[in-house]
This record gives sequence, structure tokens and C-alpha cells, in this order.
Amino acid sequence: EVQLVESGGGLVQPGGSLRLSCAASGFTFSSYWMHWVRQAPGKGLVWVSRINSDGSSTSYADSVKGRFTISRDNAKNTLYLQMNSLRAEDTAVYYCARTTVIPWSDAFDIWGQGTMVTVSS
Amino acid sequence: SYVLTQPPSVSVAPGQTARITCGGNNIGSKSVHWYQQKPGQAPVLVVYDDSDRPSGIPERFSGSNSGNTATLTISRVEAGDEADYYCQVWDSSSDPWVFGGGTKLTVL
Repeated sequence: EVQLVESGGGLVQPGGSLRLSCAASGFTFSSYWMHWVRQAPGKGLVWVSRINSDGSSTSYADSVKGRFTISRDNAKNTLYLQMNSLRAEDTAVYYCARTTVIPWSDAFDIWGQGTMVTVSS
Repeated sequence: SYVLTQPPSVSVAPGQTARITCGGNNIGSKSVHWYQQKPGQAPVLVVYDDSDRPSGIPERFSGSNSGNTATLTISRVEAGDEADYYCQVWDSSSDPWVFGGGTKLTVL
């Protein structure tokens, strides 16, 4: 079964740090681009970051650029999001999701169940 | 950055047809994808590349895209279709994966 499972969420103070993980199974992880998408309570979906198949290229939403770092370990089939200098507005459910490279598609065809991050004092 | 506009809510009676729109500047030139999200669950891809369905998605879900509007059509609506629906495109802007604000589908 194709699956993505996030972990690492929790309560953190403003200015603090947190690292999220996303464990992939059931598919060839190293063949896919991976992403983080977040959803603030009661709000819509917002793309956060993406990383290419071998980890050599990344991009970020303007709202997190310079504070968040996406990375992956293809040997461990795991995606990461290092979040620093956290703000209250970063409070959200964070989903990992994949997009297909061959054939190319920018649709998110598989999503994890999400992990909640709460930034509050 | 590119903006996608969806109506906040759409209501439809069971068995009828629901149409959810997604507006964007010349969106007809882009590939539009649609997601269904039920409360407390992760989004699920229901239509990709304007009108294709992933395996396991009922034929009742279809899509179209032309000009400045893309449309998700759900035929013979069932109570289980009640959910939030999001459109999404890729754009060569600073935040390239763009979502619409979402539409809450209510089955009366």
C-alpha cells in the first residue's frame, strides 16, 4: 500500500524550532518530488515547500523562505521539514504529499494524514 | 502571484448535479486539479489535468477547463460527497503550487 506518514508535530513557543518527518512506503520514494502543504485551522490549503527526486533542488513559499528547510533521505525513504523561528501564523496541520516526475504532473496524488503544529506561548 | 477564486459554498439536493467553479486569469491554458477533503481527513485527488480521474474515483466526478473558469462537476450527488473541494494549478510565480480558497459542498 502506498503510504505517507507524518510525525514530529506538537506545541512550540514563538521563535522555537521543530522538525517534521514523513515516512514513505509502498512506492519508489527516490523517483518522486515531495512537498509540504499546510492548512491553518479552518482555513484552506497552502503549499509550503518542495524537493526534487535526488534532493539537489528545493523551493519555498515566500512566507517560510529563510526559516524552513526541506530535505530528504532516500536511503531511509523519509522527507523532513526543519522549521525555525516559528511564528503564531505557522500554526497548522502539515501534510506531506508527492508529485509524479515520469510522466510529469504537478498534481498531488498521494497525501499523508497530517501532523499538527501549534505555535503558542 | 497567481490567484484562484472559488465560491465559498455550494448546496445541492441528493441526486442532482453540483458544479463548483474555479476562476483564474487564462486558467484554460493551465492544467487544473481538484481535491476533496472531508472533515478531519487529508485531501484526496479526484480530478487531475482538467478532466482525468485517478483510479478508484467514481465517474460521477468530472472536470472541464476553458477561458477563465475551470469547473468540477459532480453528478448524481450523494450524501457522502459532502466535503470541501479545492482546485489547484502550477504557475511560474514565486509560490508555484497554487490552491483555490476551497468550496464547501453541502448536500441538502
